[in-house]
Amino acid sequence: EAQVTQNPRYLITVTGKKLTVTCSQNMNHEYMSWYRQDPGLGLRQIYYSMNVEVTDKGDVPEGYKVSRKEKRNFPLILESPSPNQTSLYFCASRLGDRYEQYFGPGTRLTVT
Amino acid sequence: QKEVEQDPGPLSVPEGAIVSLNCTYSNSAFQYFMWYRQYSRKGPELLMYTYSSGNKEDGRFTAQVDKSSKYISLFIRDSQPSDSATYLCAMGMDTGRRALTFGSGTRLQVQP
Repeated sequence: EAQVTQNPRYLITVTGKKLTVTCSQNMNHEYMSWYRQDPGLGLRQIYYSMNVEVTDKGDVPEGYKVSRKEKRNFPLILESPSPNQTSLYFCASRLGDRYEQYFGPGTRLTVT
Repeated sequence: QKEVEQDPGPLSVPEGAIVSLNCTYSNSAFQYFMWYRQYSRKGPELLMYTYSSGNKEDGRFTAQVDKSSKYISLFIRDSQPSDSATYLCAMGMDTGRRALTFGSGTRLQVQP
């Protein structure tokens, strides 16, 4: 089954404790990205990757890091999480020359 | 002013009703338009995709784009309780990044 998977689905952590949210897709998509979803603000892009070893900032990159060492994986790293990063996070992917993006199930992160 | 405006609802309709969901936007460079459906605790699921102006129909769903008015619509015919979800419009420009700008979503409830 073609899908984007994320882990963990739920995470509660404390300020400053480094964490990583994993994302994997099995569709051989070149493009992957991370979004956060907040009430009233919709989905906002954090980082994206056009292909392996090619990453760039989206609209709200502050406080986040990413890496793309393999085509299928695109982890999101919060090196020093803060309460304002409490949000619902989605990973998405698409074929390089297409417009439609496919989303994972989401990771609900709470930073206390 | 947000680039994409979407009435948050909730919109409550009886089963079998025709539903009209709308978004307005300000950036005339947007060329492709999508509708995503998001069930509670799930990731957004691509519903409809349209490039430039015009109509597109898929079963009970019809997407319309009016670029002259910067207005897009999604119509749902014979609405069902299973259509109860949040509907997100998304749009993007024909650039290398092809990032999507999302509306904040309209919550739809179809009453049986």
